Amino acid sequence: DGGITQSPKYLFRKEGQNVTLSCEQNLNHDAMYWYRQDPGQGLRLIYYSQIVNDFQKGDIAEGYSVSREKKESFPLTVTSAQKNPTAFYLCASIPQTGRDYGYTFGSGTRLTVV
Amino acid sequence: SQKIEQNSEALNIQEGKTATLTCNYTNYSPAYLQWYRQDPGRGPVFLLLIRENEKEKRKERLKVTFDTTLKQSLFHITASQPADSATYLCALASGNTPLVFGKGTRLSVIA
Repeated sequence: DGGITQSPKYLFRKEGQNVTLSCEQNLNHDAMYWYRQDPGQGLRLIYYSQIVNDFQKGDIAEGYSVSREKKESFPLTVTSAQKNPTAFYLCASIPQTGRDYGYTFGSGTRLTVV
Repeated sequence: SQKIEQNSEALNIQEGKTATLTCNYTNYSPAYLQWYRQDPGRGPVFLLLIRENEKEKRKERLKVTFDTTLKQSLFHITASQPADSATYLCALASGNTPLVFGKGTRLSVIA
């Protein structure tokens, strides 16, 4: 079955450490997105990529970095510069931008600072 | 600044009744609006989309309306069931811009 796989499901980060969240899709979608969700909050956009080798900052990009070297992969690195990284991270994709597709989401990664 | 408001954080209704959730927006001219369902600890699941030139959309027990004059969408679940209990998110976008999400409404259907 086609879909989006996020790993790991749970991740613990020590202070000052960089961690990378994986997002892989086998849907052949061009556009991919990273959102952050805090308790009682809506999803906030971190980064997005409309096509391979290109990505744009979202509303809360500070302290995060991404790459899009392959169509199926869009990893997110949470750097030590992100002061409050504890949250639920969601990856999503659509076939292409400019059309009103519903987003397909992964099952999320819950990151906790210890 | 752009703002999306979902009418309440939580809504409790009796099984069999119609649940109505509200999404209001300001300083925005969306080309379309989407509704998602999210269960605890899971990613959102796309339910319905309605475009700016459409008044109403239906899918099984779900109905969405979109009033661009009032800047409001209503999401209805008829004959609600305990299995409908979840958080429902509305989201807006236009053109190539990524979806902007509201905070969601947590619906509880009581048997």
